[in-house]
Parts: sequence; C-alpha cells; structure tokens
Amino acid sequence: DAKTTQPPSMDCAEGRAANLPCNHSTISGNEYVYWYRQIHSQGPQYIIHGLKNNETNEMASLIITEDRKSSTLILPHATLRDTAVYYCIVSPMGTASKLTFGTGTRLQVTL
Amino acid sequence: ETGVTQSPTHLIKTRGQQVTLRCSSQSGHNTVSWYQQALGQGPQFIFQYYREEENGRGNFPPRFSGLQFPNYSSELNVNALELDDSALYLCASSTTVMNTEAFFGQGTRLTVV
Repeated sequence: DAKTTQPPSMDCAEGRAANLPCNHSTISGNEYVYWYRQIHSQGPQYIIHGLKNNETNEMASLIITEDRKSSTLILPHATLRDTAVYYCIVSPMGTASKLTFGTGTRLQVTL
Repeated sequence: ETGVTQSPTHLIKTRGQQVTLRCSSQSGHNTVSWYQQALGQGPQFIFQYYREEENGRGNFPPRFSGLQFPNYSSELNVNALELDDSALYLCASSTTVMNTEAFFGQGTRLTVV
C-alpha cells in the first residue's frame, strides 16, 4: 500500500512558485518526509527532507503540517529545467537509500 | 553529476539469459542500493549492500543477486531473464547506512526480448 498520495500531474508557469502537495496521513513518529525528483532519462535526485520542522535549502522549501499528515514542496521560482517527476516518500531515518517510491507528480513548467 | 556511474547504459538480452550490471559508487560511499524502474512507475528497491554484505532486500526473487567489492563498487546479477525484467536499473550510493541522502546513477536500460 502506498504511504503517500500525490496528484499525478501539475502545471506551473516559468518564474512562478510551484507548490507540490503530498498526503501522508499514516506517517509514523520516526518517519521523515523525503522529496526526490527525476528528470527524464536521468536517475532520481535528492531535493530535501524533514521530520516536523519546515526546511529550506538552495533548491526548495518543505512545509510540513503540525499534525505531520501532509506536506508541500515549494520551488520558489520554477524554471523549465524543473520539469520532472517529483516523488514524496516517508521513511525512517537511515533508510534514505532503501526508499519506497510511488508514482509521483509530473510537474510541467511552461513558458 | 552525482559521481555514480553505471555500465552499460543500454543492453538487450534474450529471455532465459543472464545479465550483469555494474555500478561505481561515489568516492567515500560505502553503501550501495539497486532499484528497478518499470516504464511509467517509480523505482522499486531491490537490495542494499553495506561493507560487502547484503543489508536489506525488497520483494524480488532470488534470481536477482548482487555483490559489493572492497572498493565499494557493485554488481547486480539477474538469472533466467523474463520479459517483465525489462526496465531501467538504477544504482544509488550513500556515505553510510545511517544516511539522509542517496546519489543515483543514470541507470542501465535493460530490454529482454
């Protein structure tokens, strides 16, 4: 059974913020939220992860709700190069290379 | 560039044959994982190797086997190939078992005919 639910596809205009939602209502206390993306014909790329606090790095921001049942990945200024499949994954610490991927959200950034 | 290299990039095999895929992990990474990605699906975890020992396995039959060498490079072997084994095979390395980020290679596209 999938641990996360994501919309299958989203569109975003270049230069605008892309907000990708993820539901993980059955998340356990020791599970982190990881986000990866996969650009066509490449391997997945790590973006960010968090436990309960909001996180930000050079690529994106991760907003996790207080009850931890959902999260949002924010790409502040989307570019055409951000077109990819984005995967939201919940997994305990130390399992970052034993991940269970779902089918993700296909983000299309357009001019 | 993640520093993880896989070979070959593409290959075609016949049903029933055996195949070996190779992965060179990023320098300093002692943990390597293998994934299978069917068309239109997310990657599925096959197994992980840490310090040359298998350290976790997904729901794959024993004909999927692996090796990790002292230099931390790795092989994925698949015996008795089936048509459904056609997929992109991805290798990911990380610094240790207690890691927070995995670095993926570009993958090997296997076609079984």
